[in-house]
Amino acid sequence: DAGVTQSPTHLIKTRGQQVTLRCSPKSGHDTVSWYQQALGQGPQFIFQYYEEEERQRGNFPDRFSGHQFPNYSSELNVNALLLGDSALYLCASSLLAGLWNEQFFGPGTRLTVL
Amino acid sequence: SQQGEEDPQALSIQEGENATMNCSYKTSINNLQWYRQNSGRGLVHLILIRSNEREKHSGRLRVTLDTSKKSSSLLITASRAADTASYFCATLGSSNTGKLIFGQGTTLQVKP
Repeated sequence: DAGVTQSPTHLIKTRGQQVTLRCSPKSGHDTVSWYQQALGQGPQFIFQYYEEEERQRGNFPDRFSGHQFPNYSSELNVNALLLGDSALYLCASSLLAGLWNEQFFGPGTRLTVL
Repeated sequence: SQQGEEDPQALSIQEGENATMNCSYKTSINNLQWYRQNSGRGLVHLILIRSNEREKHSGRLRVTLDTSKKSSSLLITASRAADTASYFCATLGSSNTGKLIFGQGTTLQVKP
């Protein structure tokens, strides 16, 4: 049973560019959440997708957008990259109907903006 | 913004010793979860404790929750070098929206 997978592992972009990160949830899960983790900090919630809709959003600008596909996989898009967007981006999957909302994380995508 | 504080920020112990990490949070919760992260990689789920539970065990891990003090602690007994990692607590709010709010973490070093 595959866990949460993310691609790519590492990515280097320059300021102003756009980036797309991908996530496949754990088998049986229907909800995907994205988190940004700056160096030395705890992860911060970006948004959550369920049934192909953004269910909840954290305090991130509109440059951050996402999508969920019918197979529950998800993409995170960041436009007009800034140096401050350099971080580890983590995807987590869960089952919405799961009462306690236990979330399982992927290995992350390390984004470096130069 | 972060939900709360973790204490200590860094901890260094010898193999075989116990390690205790504390987490405080600000708002009412549905549950609190502890995660481990090795060298900036993905988070590994360790244990979940519900708001109506006071203590939970999993192998060498013991978690306590005091909702009146809005605090939790993670105890790792008989630590091993492989336990070297960063440990994060994360809270799920009482409205259960699915948004986890993380602390800043405790970096644990276990010396062989």
